[in-house]
Amino acid sequence: KQEVTQIPAALSVPEGENLVLNCSFTDSAIYNLQWFRQDPGKGLTSLLLIQSSQREQTSGRLNASLDKSSGRSTLYIAASQPGDSATYLCAVDWTGNQFYFGTGTSLTVIP
Amino acid sequence: DTEVTQTPKHLVMGMTNKKSLKCEQHMGHRAMYWYKQKAKKPPELMFVYSYEKLSINESVPSRFSPECPNSSLLNLHLHALQPEDSALYLCASSPQGSGYGYTFGSGTRLTVV
Repeated sequence: KQEVTQIPAALSVPEGENLVLNCSFTDSAIYNLQWFRQDPGKGLTSLLLIQSSQREQTSGRLNASLDKSSGRSTLYIAASQPGDSATYLCAVDWTGNQFYFGTGTSLTVIP
Repeated sequence: DTEVTQTPKHLVMGMTNKKSLKCEQHMGHRAMYWYKQKAKKPPELMFVYSYEKLSINESVPSRFSPECPNSSLLNLHLHALQPEDSALYLCASSPQGSGYGYTFGSGTRLTVV
């Protein structure tokens, strides 16, 4: 069974700290992986998309890496801010037309 | 226009009611998706439409009926729902498949009483 796991489930850090969120998946033959952010009760905001041939993507303070052989992706957030507080979801597509979501990491950045 | 618009934002309905959720995009995307998300859980796929045809139905109960009248519009018709169907219903679109990622709407918060 294909599964996506995110650890830790919750994370609390002081403002300004650099942090890493982890995503692991059971089958390395993926098409794409996408990181999302979700604020409470809201929809999902796309952060970064990594296609299977790519190793990393960067946008501002965010950097996502992909290691298919080990079944892992990491989302690195530099110089965290209170506005970064949200749930971060990793989604993996194995078929080309269907994302499966991890359970998410709830991030709190303390001012 | 780079958005997926969902209406209504909130909906309360009784178990005997019939209602519809609407999702619209004008990005020229040819794939559209319905997801269901319960509190503190990840989104779960319900339906996938590709070129206005239903391509995936994840064994969703028949009280949920999707419709894709044209390439810009996706509806979810609701009938005889149960309280456990209360959730956030999310719509997403993509150019085709996941190669360019998904764009999500802000969701409809559904409460069944």
